[in-house]
Amino acid sequence: EPEVTQTPSHQVTQMGQEVILRCVPISNHLYFYWYRQILGQKVEFLVSFYNNEISEKSEIFDDQFSVERPDGSNFTLKIRSTKLEDSAMYFCASSDRVGDNEQFFGPGTRLTVL
Amino acid sequence: QKEVEQNSGPLSVPEGAIASLNCTYSDRGSQSFFWYRQYSGKSPELIMSIYSNGDKEDGRFTAQLNKASQYVSLLIRDSQPSDSATYLCAVPFSGGYNKLIFGAGTRLAVHP
Repeated sequence: EPEVTQTPSHQVTQMGQEVILRCVPISNHLYFYWYRQILGQKVEFLVSFYNNEISEKSEIFDDQFSVERPDGSNFTLKIRSTKLEDSAMYFCASSDRVGDNEQFFGPGTRLTVL
Repeated sequence: QKEVEQNSGPLSVPEGAIASLNCTYSDRGSQSFFWYRQYSGKSPELIMSIYSNGDKEDGRFTAQLNKASQYVSLLIRDSQPSDSATYLCAVPFSGGYNKLIFGAGTRLAVHP
């Protein structure tokens, strides 16, 4: 069964460093999302991406964040200068349509900022 | 502000019982509703989707939707210890590209 994959599973970084989180969505999906979940809190939407551009972003997704689909398979989230409060699980999700919008999540990347 | 509300639990049920999980949402324009299961330290796993008023059954799971009351529920029949997890209700925000708004989740504990 097709699934979303994410790498790395755990990333430890120093405050102020740049990190890139990688995702490979399900191959025939067209809509891509990043969510994050701070420990003990709700899953929060960050950004959606369709047709090679951002379709929507949340207030959390400020200038420190960017997304890219560098090739036909990968979807990346970059955090330019990490802060302590960026420590969270980051989930990539994909969907093959926007109407019914069943979104399938990857296993996540645990980001720890020291 | 679009909100999805769930009781945080824990909801404790004995093995073999029916677990009932509830969710209310604020966006009257919402047309689709999802239940995800999340084991500790893992990602959300889609287990049920429902789009029309009434019941939808899939194996031991039944989702119930009442759009007039803005209420969606999940019933788990014959609960097993392996069902112990946090159940997340998710509703797409109707104004855009259907970003999911998640509830805080209900923690279910099924004890032998």
